[in-house]
Amino acid sequence: EAGVTQFPSHSVIEKGQTVTLRCDPISGHDNLYWYRRVMGKEIKFLLHFVKESKQDESGMPNNRFLAERTGGTYSTLKVQPAELEDSGVYFCASSTGFPDTQYFGPGTRLTVL
Amino acid sequence: AQSVAQPEDQVNVAEGNPLTVKCTYSVSGNPYLFWYVQYPNRGLQFLLKYITGDNLVKGSYGFEAEFNKSQTSFHLKKPSALVSDSALYFCAVRGYNNDMRFGAGTRLTVKP
Repeated sequence: EAGVTQFPSHSVIEKGQTVTLRCDPISGHDNLYWYRRVMGKEIKFLLHFVKESKQDESGMPNNRFLAERTGGTYSTLKVQPAELEDSGVYFCASSTGFPDTQYFGPGTRLTVL
Repeated sequence: AQSVAQPEDQVNVAEGNPLTVKCTYSVSGNPYLFWYVQYPNRGLQFLLKYITGDNLVKGSYGFEAEFNKSQTSFHLKKPSALVSDSALYFCAVRGYNNDMRFGAGTRLTVKP
């Protein structure tokens, strides 16, 4: 069974540019989560999808971040325009439901110059 | 609020010795606790979880964790450390909204 995949693995962009991160969850997992780890700090929750609906987006830092999950399969996280403080590793996770284990992808390392 | 704390940034042990990575939690209600490991240039890998039942939970790669309600702890342990166990370890608790609340991480280094 394929795990959670994320693309790209690395992205380097300049301040003000736009970047779109993609996450493909494990097949059959209705729940999809985005997290972020800024350099050396804790992994922080961003948002949670159940199928195509946003269940909780309380962790989204501001309106420069837009997440979508059309059709309830893969998800994208767009940052527009990117700022320096957006640099970090963005993780995606999926699960079948509460309180089942969340399985994480390898992450996308975003560097904003 | 649901939270965990990992009091040690770094743990060093010699290969073959037992290892412990500490985690304490603060929750309202029943705790759902997890341990994940991140190897270099890899994502977070699930090790084990405590939902209910036996206080001693066994997980992947020979790791186990002991849930201690009176001490509000969920320490990760392994009887005999391997050099390949060197990695970053995260303790986590399930939050109210089904999100995961992570500790800051503990870097484990096992020396030959």
